[in-house]
Amino acid sequence: NAGVTQTPKFQVLKTGQSMTLQCAQDMNHNSMYWYRQDPGMGLRLIYYSASEGTTDKGEVPNGYNVSRLNKREFSLRLESAAPSQTSVYFCASSPLPRALGGRGYEQYFGPGTRLTVT
Amino acid sequence: QQPVQSPQAVILREGEDAVINCSSSKALYSVHWYRQKHGEAPVFLMILLKGGEQKGHDKISASFNEKKQQSSLYLTASQLSYSGTYFCGTEPGNTPLVFGKGTRLSVIA
Repeated sequence: NAGVTQTPKFQVLKTGQSMTLQCAQDMNHNSMYWYRQDPGMGLRLIYYSASEGTTDKGEVPNGYNVSRLNKREFSLRLESAAPSQTSVYFCASSPLPRALGGRGYEQYFGPGTRLTVT
Repeated sequence: QQPVQSPQAVILREGEDAVINCSSSKALYSVHWYRQKHGEAPVFLMILLKGGEQKGHDKISASFNEKKQQSSLYLTASQLSYSGTYFCGTEPGNTPLVFGKGTRLSVIA
């Protein structure tokens, strides 16, 4: 099992460019998440997908879009990158959380993508 | 609402104990604890569910006071490998996990 994989590991963009971060999991999990991590801010939820076919906004969704392509894959798109989007991005997956009707299982994180926007 | 963690940072010598606290202003379904080492992804340690169920690491313990919406993580006889940033995450209802800002733990020889 590879767990949660993310590509790319590193990326440098110029302001205004677009890109898609890819995430895949092989644990047959229902729920997937995208977080950004900035120094001193913890992990902030951008978007999540409770189950295949659904997506919802998290705490900081502005400037991002997501696609739950199938049960395994959840991508994050930056349409027009801005310097404020410089961050480390983590994808995670879990079985359905308790608060959403599941049993409250832990999240498994991918290795992260370090994105710099100049 | 982001949970509040305390302390923000702590330095321990090997063998010493530490407690990290996490509090929320909302009623919680569960509290999660994760550890992140520098340059790596967060790794699950413990989950405490409303009603008393727990699941997690066998060398780390935690408590969950449901009435006060507070949780504490207990690190006993710390080892160098315990160093990292500890995050609590709370499930405050029909929303996914919300993480605190983290507590940086440094264990020195």
